[in-house]
Amino acid sequence: EADIYQTPRYLVIGTGKKITLECSQTMGHDKMYWYQQDPGMELHLIHYSYGVNSTEKGDLSSESTVSRIRTEHFPLTLESARPSHTSQYLCASSLLEKLFFGSGTQLSVL
Amino acid sequence: GDSVTQMEGPVTLSEEAFLTINCTYTATGYPSLFWYVQYPGEGLQLLLKATKADDKGSNKGFEATYRKETTSFHLEKGSVQVSDSAVYFCALGESGGYNKLIFGAGTRLAVHP
Repeated sequence: EADIYQTPRYLVIGTGKKITLECSQTMGHDKMYWYQQDPGMELHLIHYSYGVNSTEKGDLSSESTVSRIRTEHFPLTLESARPSHTSQYLCASSLLEKLFFGSGTQLSVL
Repeated sequence: GDSVTQMEGPVTLSEEAFLTINCTYTATGYPSLFWYVQYPGEGLQLLLKATKADDKGSNKGFEATYRKETTSFHLEKGSVQVSDSAVYFCALGESGGYNKLIFGAGTRLAVHP
């Protein structure tokens, strides 16, 4: 089984707050990803990383930012949360062509 | 660009019924194809994959065959169970070794006793 962890599981926060969604994996994978899952279930890649100090924007434009200072850690930050950021955020890492997903963070911005 | 189209849900079946979830793709190059499953309250899990034309991926009674001529990767199971109720995602792996996946919109399956 995959060892990839996301916290918090649920987050309800007010508009304008800064938030960081945590993602950690213990498998030593170089490649990591953030997907945004909308209520219709579609998954959109918003950020990815091929290793330490490597980050790229995905196919869906996002106001969030990411960092990759350590192999095991890939946090996502929103400087000023807005209601339009309400969504499910899924973190993943990969080995060869297999992706391992965390359980996700459901973010609600009021 | 590359894309994946899968049949809309929800799909509602009785236990032991036959399941087909259609998936077609558009891609340049020779992508790998995947089915991922998301059970309620959980993250996605790889269900099966195929890496080249005519490959058949199989797992837990599910099967899908990579059909290059029809650009399809339909998911099938001969006899579904209540525990198969979940959302199923077809995905395409972009060529180039970067492991970026493009997902379809997902198909919700509900199996009733």
